[in-house]
Amino acid sequence: GENVEQHPSTLSVQEGDSAVIKCTYSDSASNYFPWYKQELGKRPQLIIDIRSNVGEKKDQRIAVTLNKTAKHFSLHITETQPEDSAVYFCAATFHTDKLIFGTGTRLQVFP
Amino acid sequence: AAGVIQSPRHLIKEKRETATLKCYPIPRHDTVYWYQQGPGQDPQFLISFYEKMQSDKGSIPDRFSAQQFSDYHSELNMSSLELGDSALYFCASSPSRDNYEQYFGPGTRLTVT
Repeated sequence: GENVEQHPSTLSVQEGDSAVIKCTYSDSASNYFPWYKQELGKRPQLIIDIRSNVGEKKDQRIAVTLNKTAKHFSLHITETQPEDSAVYFCAATFHTDKLIFGTGTRLQVFP
Repeated sequence: AAGVIQSPRHLIKEKRETATLKCYPIPRHDTVYWYQQGPGQDPQFLISFYEKMQSDKGSIPDRFSAQQFSDYHSELNMSSLELGDSALYFCASSPSRDNYEQYFGPGTRLTVT
């Protein structure tokens, strides 16, 4: 079936450290993998995405890597700042354009 | 830059009442999606529209219906509301179905009492 697993569910890091969140997906035909940041009570905000024909994508302090063989993708945040604290969701598309989300990771960055 | 607009932002209804949520996509976006997010949960896909036609359907109760109008705005109609319908309802829009990028609106917080 259509499934995305996300780990860890919570992550606490010191300001300036790196944070890594991992997701696995169930269908090798999946071809689009976005990451969303959601602050409490706010909208999910698209922060980075990767498509199946690319192995890595970087945007300033944020990077995403994709391993199609293992069916997993990861979000890397370097030099974390307190304003990075939020819930992060990975997602994937399965044969259609609807998004199937992971269960989310609550990231806390301590000053 | 223009974003997705949703109204109302907050809605309080009683059980068995009806509710209508509205979504105005980003200009020139032809695809609209509706998601439901319960407290502490991930967004769940409900339904989507492409060029005013329903394109996909998820776990949307039969009590809910939706449509996309000629100006591309969309409305989600919810009838016989239940306590379990209390959630954040997000609309997202995309430049095209093949693009896949989805930009979310601010959401409507529905509380059913």
